[in-house]
Amino acid sequence: EIVLTQSPDFQSVTPKEKVTITCRASQSIGSSLHWYQQKPDQSPKLLIKYASQSISGVPSRFSGSGSGTDFTLTINSLEAEDAATYYCHQSSSLPWTFGQGTKVEIK
Amino acid sequence: QVQLVQSGAEVKKPGASVKVSCKASGYTFTSYGISWVRQAPGQGLEWMGWISAYNGNTNYAQKLQGRVTMTTDTSTSTAYMELRSLRSDDTAVYYCARAPVYAYFDYWGQGTLVTVSS
Repeated sequence: EIVLTQSPDFQSVTPKEKVTITCRASQSIGSSLHWYQQKPDQSPKLLIKYASQSISGVPSRFSGSGSGTDFTLTINSLEAEDAATYYCHQSSSLPWTFGQGTKVEIK
Repeated sequence: QVQLVQSGAEVKKPGASVKVSCKASGYTFTSYGISWVRQAPGQGLEWMGWISAYNGNTNYAQKLQGRVTMTTDTSTSTAYMELRSLRSDDTAVYYCARAPVYAYFDYWGQGTLVTVSS
């Protein structure tokens, strides 16, 4: 099973600040890495697919990068509405797995 | 617009079974798979399995093998997830999500809370 490890687990950030969340895979997964945002009491929402591909309707301040084992989700100029938990997910091999999540709090 | 609408909350006793439904609309049901993901209270996301709405092929998480069955009804564009021999640690919100083969989950249902308690 591929283990995804996110860092940090928690981040407290002021508005307009840049946020960087990393996701490390226990073995190479190519670009089969996707990012989701989950706000409290809501379903997860797809933010980025295949490491860096944007999703229609997602604000352009969200971007992704990386390949192989190391991936990054970047939120440029954080807004109050971005307070959420962010998860990475790999679809390279079964069982599909998620990172443990990174909670982003607005100061 | 794509929508996945799940059945309502359930309360079950240990050892019982639960069957959650997920009705899809706004797209060709048989062109995608459906994955099921659960989230225990205050915890992260756990992938449970995937079913092809085209041919019914399934892949289940090993820890749930033997207790979970995923099915689809193409006549009503509905996916089902049945979990048997429920335990207290099966208490969670269960989500269905549209899933292209071996890819991301682009649309999610609203979630169904299943509580297992004696």
